[in-house]
Amino acid sequence: DTAVSQTPKYLVTQMGNDKSIKCEQNLGHDTMYWYKQDSKKFLKIMFSYNNKELIINETVPNRFSPKSPDKAHLNLHINSLELGDSAVYFCASSLYSSDTQYFGPGTRLTVL
Amino acid sequence: DQQVKQNSPSLSVQEGRISILNCDYTNSMFDYFLWYKKYPAEGPTFLISISSIKDKNEDGRFTVFLNKSAKHLSLHIVPSQPGDSAVYFCAARNNAGNMLTFGGGTRLMVKP
Repeated sequence: DTAVSQTPKYLVTQMGNDKSIKCEQNLGHDTMYWYKQDSKKFLKIMFSYNNKELIINETVPNRFSPKSPDKAHLNLHINSLELGDSAVYFCASSLYSSDTQYFGPGTRLTVL
Repeated sequence: DQQVKQNSPSLSVQEGRISILNCDYTNSMFDYFLWYKKYPAEGPTFLISISSIKDKNEDGRFTVFLNKSAKHLSLHIVPSQPGDSAVYFCAARNNAGNMLTFGGGTRLMVKP
């Protein structure tokens, strides 16, 4: 009964590959987010979706494409992976009217 | 350009004493502030928040103070417990949207 879940927890892949990370929330929230935590441990917003529509799109390479099939899911697809994509990616969700975001456990992506 | 800064990367405190974690921000458009706690290999969990119209918010052992003129907030934990050992992130919300900007985190170690 995890509130915000992500799969996989760990992902190791080669440069140039395409990979996806899945996120699901069962909190009934209408807004979902993707954050990247880099090697310096800063958490930075990448995308935000409200009711399946993109509302925040920070400066992220086009190789990153979020997809929201429904309000409870926000998946992140990454094309042509690069070494610099290695990081921990966190999914989060909230009600649009609320300031509190709830985070998933993170996916550690390692690009070799 | 870091708009939210936590200048102390780590803090060590004796059990039972007070822990004070500090956070500074530069963007005057921030109107809501949150503290998150993060254990290793887990996602950040919401701890406490404060609106810019207040200068103090208390929840059990946790109190957040906001000094708008100084653009500074602090989290006080009294008394500190070994289970409080974690990384604490300060986050701020821009009044123009739901995006959270995070500080770099402070690692708190509470010694028994």
